[in-house]
Amino acid sequence: DQQVKQNSPSLSVQEGRISILNCDYTNSMFDYFLWYKKYPAEGPTFLISISSIKDKNEDGRFTVFLNKSAKHLSLHIVPSQPGDSAVYFCAAIRTYGQNFVFGPGTRLSVLP
Amino acid sequence: DTEVTQTPKHLVMGMTNKKSLKCEQHMGHRAMYWYKQKAKKPPELMFVYSYEKLSINESVPSRFSPECPNSSLLNLHLHALQPEDSALYLCASRPMGQGNTEAFFGQGTRLTVV
Repeated sequence: DQQVKQNSPSLSVQEGRISILNCDYTNSMFDYFLWYKKYPAEGPTFLISISSIKDKNEDGRFTVFLNKSAKHLSLHIVPSQPGDSAVYFCAAIRTYGQNFVFGPGTRLSVLP
Repeated sequence: DTEVTQTPKHLVMGMTNKKSLKCEQHMGHRAMYWYKQKAKKPPELMFVYSYEKLSINESVPSRFSPECPNSSLLNLHLHALQPEDSALYLCASRPMGQGNTEAFFGQGTRLTVV
């Protein structure tokens, strides 16, 4: 039973356009959410996070939106760059919890 | 220093071998993790150490034996592995007592069991 879902296995976007990656979760106890980026044969790299007390967090080209009532979050990348091509994992954790639960990932391809 | 360093980067071992994976961080993080990642799958939690004590064991087979000798080091001892244990093994660390924070991951050890 997947607690964190990313229903799009892959996404292709033209360079300069917006990339929108989606994530849904089922466990209402999760209250901290993170996005990680992963290149092949490397460890995940932290991108951005959001606490459940917020509905938006922005860092440069990356913005994460959280809709708690829908148990849905999304990562927006604007403008998309070829170097953004990677697998993006959504992760969730409870405050004071220790287990980060990861979604299955979305492979983003940014085409020049 | 904001790195989690894992050695070796690649490891090929036979099913009768004993080997160890090593992980080191000098960020003062008191939570350290082992995750296993198979191809095209998300990382799956294996073990968590908090303040050098094992706090989570996700029903991992005993052929995987973790060890946390001090607050900077985390080992994963491997013995009598099976080919299906071939995967990318990721170490991560995280500060404790600071509310919600991210985990920092190492580059991983690509393990192949033959």
